[in-house]
Amino acid sequence: DTAVSQTPKYLVTQMGNDKSIKCEQNLGHDTMYWYKQDSKKFLKIMFSYNNKELIINETVPNRFSPKSPDKAHLNLHINSLELGDSAVYFCASSLSWDYETDTQYFGPGTRLTVL
Amino acid sequence: AQKITQTQPGMFVQEKEAVTLDCTYDTSDQSYGLFWYKQPSSGEMIFLIYQGSYDEQNATEGRYSLNFQKARKSANLVISASQLGDSAMYFCAMREGSNAGKSTFGDGTTLTVKP
Repeated sequence: DTAVSQTPKYLVTQMGNDKSIKCEQNLGHDTMYWYKQDSKKFLKIMFSYNNKELIINETVPNRFSPKSPDKAHLNLHINSLELGDSAVYFCASSLSWDYETDTQYFGPGTRLTVL
Repeated sequence: AQKITQTQPGMFVQEKEAVTLDCTYDTSDQSYGLFWYKQPSSGEMIFLIYQGSYDEQNATEGRYSLNFQKARKSANLVISASQLGDSAMYFCAMREGSNAGKSTFGDGTTLTVKP
């Protein structure tokens, strides 16, 4: 059974389009995250949700809007896609958000290419 | 200042030999967690090993061990008996007690195992 799953795995789209990435975890974790990995492989947190509530919102353009319908799901909607949005987006989850001992488990990633 | 520093962009190791991947960190927190992840060419992020700041013993998981030197603020990953499948990018990460919701990742080290 996949612990953290993301769909789609690949997303190719034109500039200006709106797209969504879905994430689901079956680990029973309370906290979910979105990370962006750029072309140089640098990994940076974008958002963190705990029990459907937003707890971390890094400096991310407001074209990016996360939504958590329940604690097992965290979706990422991106409006008006730009070339610079091309990256790999990872979803992750952990048992809690406020314990530094909790391991984050990652989904397989979604490779977004904006043409 | 960078919180996580991985000074080796690329490393080579002969199959069956041991290799050490360096990671130094910067925090003023007493409580923190250190993590290593593996990212093979297929792209997924795989959790390898965890070390807590209060753990007195170095963490071990199969062929992976963490050489934790708290006074030097280093948490090096040691892979014993390297296998071809160990070729991947390796990331060191930290969660600090004062800001546990955010993990900070290093820039990664690309390990190539030679037959």
